[in-house]
Amino acid sequence: GQQVMQIPQYQHVQEGEDFTTYCNSSTTLSNIQWYKQRPGGHPVFLIQLVKSGEVKKQKRLTFQFGEAKKNSSLHITATQTTDVGTYFCAGPGSGYSTLTFGKGTMLLVSP
Amino acid sequence: EAGVTQSPTHLIKTRGQQATLRCSPISGHTSVYWYQQALGLGLQFLLWYDEGEERNRGNFPPRFSGRQFPNYSSELNVNALELEDSALYLCASSPGSVLDEQFFGPGTRLTVL
Repeated sequence: GQQVMQIPQYQHVQEGEDFTTYCNSSTTLSNIQWYKQRPGGHPVFLIQLVKSGEVKKQKRLTFQFGEAKKNSSLHITATQTTDVGTYFCAGPGSGYSTLTFGKGTMLLVSP
Repeated sequence: EAGVTQSPTHLIKTRGQQATLRCSPISGHTSVYWYQQALGLGLQFLLWYDEGEERNRGNFPPRFSGRQFPNYSSELNVNALELEDSALYLCASSPGSVLDEQFFGPGTRLTVL
């Protein structure tokens, strides 16, 4: 079945440093979604990418969808302590019968 | 607009018992998804209901089951609880397709002793 892999599993940065998490799918995706889960909270939708090579920005966050639509990345510029949490990518499974989540990248930001 | 609600917030059971978890989707959403999030693991897909029908289930044993009611709320039942069933159970809703953004509820923390 489809697999969605994320790296790194965990990253600890100093406030102000940049952060990137990468998402790779074993199959071509029709779209990819990104979610953020704060400690003790629930996942919250951030963005959806649909087009090959698409790049979208939300303030300090930049999301990219690969040309082959099998990988994606989330880059945070100048991290802040409010960025702490686990970032998940997710893509539709075969037959659009499920949304497959990666295991997530946990980001810790030290002031 | 009210978000996805789940009850109870916490549930403590002993091994072998049965647990029932409830979820109310956002008004107008017909799809409800259930996920298990065990400590240190990602979101494991359990079940998807849409328009009262089970559309798909993840790789979980049959003792995990559920249903969706005519008002689109949903129930997750876990029979013959095992220690490893201890996890956060998250419910999400969407307008009707896995291509849509999913809105998550706060979850039910199930502890099996």
